Amino acid sequence: DAGVIQSPRHEVTEMGQEVTLRCKPISGHNSLFWYRQTMMRGLELLIYFNNNVPIDDSGMPEDRFSAKMPNASFSTLKIQPSEPRDSAVYFCASSLQGPLYEQYFGPGTRLTVT
Amino acid sequence: GQNIDQPTEMTATEGAIVQINCTYQTSGFNGLFWYQQHAGEAPTFLSYNVLDGLEEKGRFSSFLSRSKGYSYLLLKELQMKDSASYLCAYDNYGQNFVFGPGTRLSVLP
Repeated sequence: DAGVIQSPRHEVTEMGQEVTLRCKPISGHNSLFWYRQTMMRGLELLIYFNNNVPIDDSGMPEDRFSAKMPNASFSTLKIQPSEPRDSAVYFCASSLQGPLYEQYFGPGTRLTVT
Repeated sequence: GQNIDQPTEMTATEGAIVQINCTYQTSGFNGLFWYQQHAGEAPTFLSYNVLDGLEEKGRFSSFLSRSKGYSYLLLKELQMKDSASYLCAYDNYGQNFVFGPGTRLSVLP
């Protein structure tokens, strides 16, 4: 199995631009998680989906952030417009069924907003 | 509310034993996870405790006391490759998942 796949691995963009991060979970996993990691705030859960349905989006910072999961094998996290404070590593993870199961993390996307 | 805490940094010597503590306060709790994260890499799963007591898995063991809101990760026979951050996390009845700030462990020769 290829594991969780994220793209791009690195993204540098200017403030105000739209950023789209992509994730392909492990085949057969029913849950997908988006995290953000910074030195100051650590690893934070942004949103998680179960069977393509958002279960908890309380961690989404504000309306500039949105996430979709149109099918079981693909999810996007969009930031529009981006701001310098959004600079972080964004991880996608998947699990068999919800947070009670081991989560497998993708390699992450390092986002820099200038 | 939700609160989870770990020591920021720890140092230990190769071959030694180290215990990394985690305390949490939450109104809802299912179980406690431990993840390892090497610098520049993604977290990887180490252990999951639902019931009180010690779970042993090779050189790593994890302990949970639900009544005290306390867990620890025990690493034995430390190796240089164990230098990493160790993050505890809890599941809030499947509604949320909260990571601690992580403990950066340095293993010295």
